[in-house]
Amino acid sequence: EAGVAQSPRYKIIEKRQSVAFWCNPISGHATLYWYQQILGQGPKLLIQFQNNGVVDDSQLPKDRFSAERLKGVDSTLKIQPAKLEDSAVYLCASSLLSLDRAYNEQFFGPGTRLTVL
Amino acid sequence: GNSVTQMEGPVTLSEEAFLTINCTYTATGYPSLFWYVQYPGEGLQLLLKATKADDKGSNKGFEATYRKETTSFHLEKGSVQVSDSAVYFCALSDQGTGRRALTFGSGTRLQVQP
Repeated sequence: EAGVAQSPRYKIIEKRQSVAFWCNPISGHATLYWYQQILGQGPKLLIQFQNNGVVDDSQLPKDRFSAERLKGVDSTLKIQPAKLEDSAVYLCASSLLSLDRAYNEQFFGPGTRLTVL
Repeated sequence: GNSVTQMEGPVTLSEEAFLTINCTYTATGYPSLFWYVQYPGEGLQLLLKATKADDKGSNKGFEATYRKETTSFHLEKGSVQVSDSAVYFCALSDQGTGRRALTFGSGTRLQVQP
């Protein structure tokens, strides 16, 4: 079974530029998450999708970050314009969603490492 | 809101030593608890889980017990190996709602010396 795919793996940009990250979840996984992991910290949720609808985007800085999941499969996360403090690894994860279970295992992609200069 | 606190690292041990990494949590509901591991150059992987009080999660010689009375989920291993060197994250997620996103601790780096 193929895992969660992300691209690019690395990106270096200058502040005020724009950048986009792409995620392809595991086939059949209705739920998709984007996390931001700053160096030395644990991942922090940015946005959760269920199919193509947003479940939680309360921690997404909406003045500069946007995300979409058209057709409920692939997802794109965009930053426009980037700031120095956006330097981080951006992780995509996917899971099944069954509320009959106490948890749904999340499978993580390799991440995109963003450096903002 | 939810939060996870885990001991700061790095933790440096000799091979075959006993490992404990402390984790405590605060949750508004009744969470599921997890330990994730990040090996050098690799992505996050689920190590073990527990979904109710007194449950013990175990995998690859690691264990952790869900202690509701102390809101803790400490990770233990009786005899560590060099290959266990990695960053370990304690995490939780809500049960019973669609918001299953993980809340992570800050991570603990483990270094095992031969």
